[in-house]
Amino acid sequence: NAGVTQTPKFQVLKTGQSMTLQCAQDMNHEYMSWYRQDPGMGLRLIHYSVGAGITDQGEVPNGYNVSRSTTEDFPLRLLSAAPSQTSVYFCASSYGTGQDEQYFGPGTRLTVT
Amino acid sequence: EDQVTQSPEALRLQEGESSSLNCSYTVSGLRGLFWYRQDPGKGPEFLFTLYSAGEEKEKERLKATLTKKESFLHITAPKPEDSATYLCAVQPLKGGTSYGKLTFGQGTILTVHP
Repeated sequence: NAGVTQTPKFQVLKTGQSMTLQCAQDMNHEYMSWYRQDPGMGLRLIHYSVGAGITDQGEVPNGYNVSRSTTEDFPLRLLSAAPSQTSVYFCASSYGTGQDEQYFGPGTRLTVT
Repeated sequence: EDQVTQSPEALRLQEGESSSLNCSYTVSGLRGLFWYRQDPGKGPEFLFTLYSAGEEKEKERLKATLTKKESFLHITAPKPEDSATYLCAVQPLKGGTSYGKLTFGQGTILTVHP
């Protein structure tokens, strides 16, 4: 099993550009989530999904969109990138509704100039 | 609002020098407290889940304990390979889709010198 995979590993965007961060898992997990990690702030939940077709907002959802058309994939879209979105983004997945341990991907480091 | 505070922010130990990391939390109802290890440039890796006060779990040189207000991660005779950032997170007792909403602390950076 590859576990949780994320692409790209690094990305530089200009303010106003859009892009999609990809996340996939091969463990048949129902629960998937996106976090951002900033120095001194810990990991903060952006959006999460408890199954295909079901998504909800986390702590810091503004500026991000998600959709879940399959169990395996959970892409994160930045509609109009801003410097405040410079961060490291992690995707995670878990069994059931997320009450068990979450498995994290390797992360995407995004810089917005 | 759920809150998690970890201390110290950074800890430097000599190989073999045992110590503890602290995770203080406030949550309306605790379903579980999680410990993760994060190496530089990688995603967090799951270590333990604790569910009730008094519970303890061990893995190699690590032991996690839980009280009603805090959790400790005890490191016994650490080795350089234990150097990493250790993250603590709480999960609310609320049901339904709130189960997965982890609130993380800012982490403790542990460095173990040979």
